[in-house]
Amino acid sequence: GNSVTQMEGPVTLSEEAFLTINCTYTATGYPSLFWYVQYPGEGLQLLLKATKADDKGSNKGFEATYRKETTSFHLEKGSVQVSDSAVYFCALRAAGTALIFGKGTTLSVSS
Amino acid sequence: DTAVSQTPKYLVTQMGNDKSIKCEQNLGHDTMYWYKQDSKKFLKIMFSYNNKELIINETVPNRFSPKSPDKAHLNLHINSLELGDSAVYFCASSQGQITGELFFGEGSRLTVL
Repeated sequence: GNSVTQMEGPVTLSEEAFLTINCTYTATGYPSLFWYVQYPGEGLQLLLKATKADDKGSNKGFEATYRKETTSFHLEKGSVQVSDSAVYFCALRAAGTALIFGKGTTLSVSS
Repeated sequence: DTAVSQTPKYLVTQMGNDKSIKCEQNLGHDTMYWYKQDSKKFLKIMFSYNNKELIINETVPNRFSPKSPDKAHLNLHINSLELGDSAVYFCASSQGQITGELFFGEGSRLTVL
């Protein structure tokens, strides 16, 4: 079946550090891939998406590239801020299925 | 104006009780969802409705019964609550069934004592 695997957290960084959160997937066909972010006490928000191989999604300084050859969609940011502290979810949507989430990675950024 | 609103935000109740959570969206979307988030933040789809019709019904105990009176509302009723039902329940909506762009409510935290 379809699934998403994210790196285990928590990830703890200092402000302005480089961030990578790994995400790999298993799916039949050609899924669309997403990163969602959940700030404390809030619902999830779409951060970025990519719908086909080699697409790069970007938003708020975050980027992720859809790599079909490695079935990956790693999230990166060059310089994190304290306000980026949140839980990040990688997700995929394959044809005929609901959106499937990874287990989430908690990011904590200190000043 | 809140796009996807859920009530109540917090719910504390005893085992065996019946409770409901309501969800409304004002985005004009035709598809709505219920997700359950456990204490480890894991999110799992429970139900999905498209234009008031049930299209996804994951392996959920039949104590959980969704109801969609119209495409802007999706309510969740839970009978005979158990300790394991304690979680945060998120409502979400989207335009169409094939998109992965969901808009989430703020969640309803259910605590069963």
